[in-house]
Amino acid sequence: AQSVTQLDSHVSVSEGTPVLLRCNYSSSYSPSLFWYVQHPNKGLQLLLKYTSAATLVKGINGFEAEFKKSETSFHLTKPSAHMSDAAEYFCVVRFYNQGGKLIFGQGTELSVKP
Amino acid sequence: NAGVTQTPKFRVLKTGQSMTLLCAQDMNHEYMYWYRQDPGMGLRLIHYSVGEGTTAKGEVPDGYNVSRLKKQNFLLGLESAAPSQTSVYFCASSAGTPYGYTFGSGTRLTVV
Repeated sequence: AQSVTQLDSHVSVSEGTPVLLRCNYSSSYSPSLFWYVQHPNKGLQLLLKYTSAATLVKGINGFEAEFKKSETSFHLTKPSAHMSDAAEYFCVVRFYNQGGKLIFGQGTELSVKP
Repeated sequence: NAGVTQTPKFRVLKTGQSMTLLCAQDMNHEYMYWYRQDPGMGLRLIHYSVGEGTTAKGEVPDGYNVSRLKKQNFLLGLESAAPSQTSVYFCASSAGTPYGYTFGSGTRLTVV
């Protein structure tokens, strides 16, 4: 079975400091993994995706994530937080059957202090 | 603009009323999905479809029905709304692996 767990429901950082949002996954197959961001009262925006190519994936707005098979992790990082990064972030795994459905983690709310 | 359009964007229902949410996509995608979003629970899959005329249950299908009579449309129905169905509903479509997903902007439904 495939599942995803986000280890922190809320993360608070100061502007200009690094961001780390943690995600562990469980998958019977080589997984496809995504990070989505949702700003308040907005829809979902794709940040980046891993589909078995390079293990270090670069996304939009300076975010990147590293796929570590031995640790079953796919943590999201950014070297320097910006106020506009404040949002909710979702780690997502895709099924290869069942219509390629996405399974979402519970979400991590990122707060950025000035 | 190409994409996924959800109708309506907001709705307030009384307990026991029925309604249909419409999802329309113009990208000729085979796969379509309905999710609900609740605080602290991420998005959970209600129903999905792998092509015109097909539907399948997701994680939380109870109280909902769906239909995919046309490839571009995926309808989500609530026959007898309950307060527990108060949520934000998102529709998504995909051309399948390894392609990505396109999400609609959501429908905020309140059942009183």
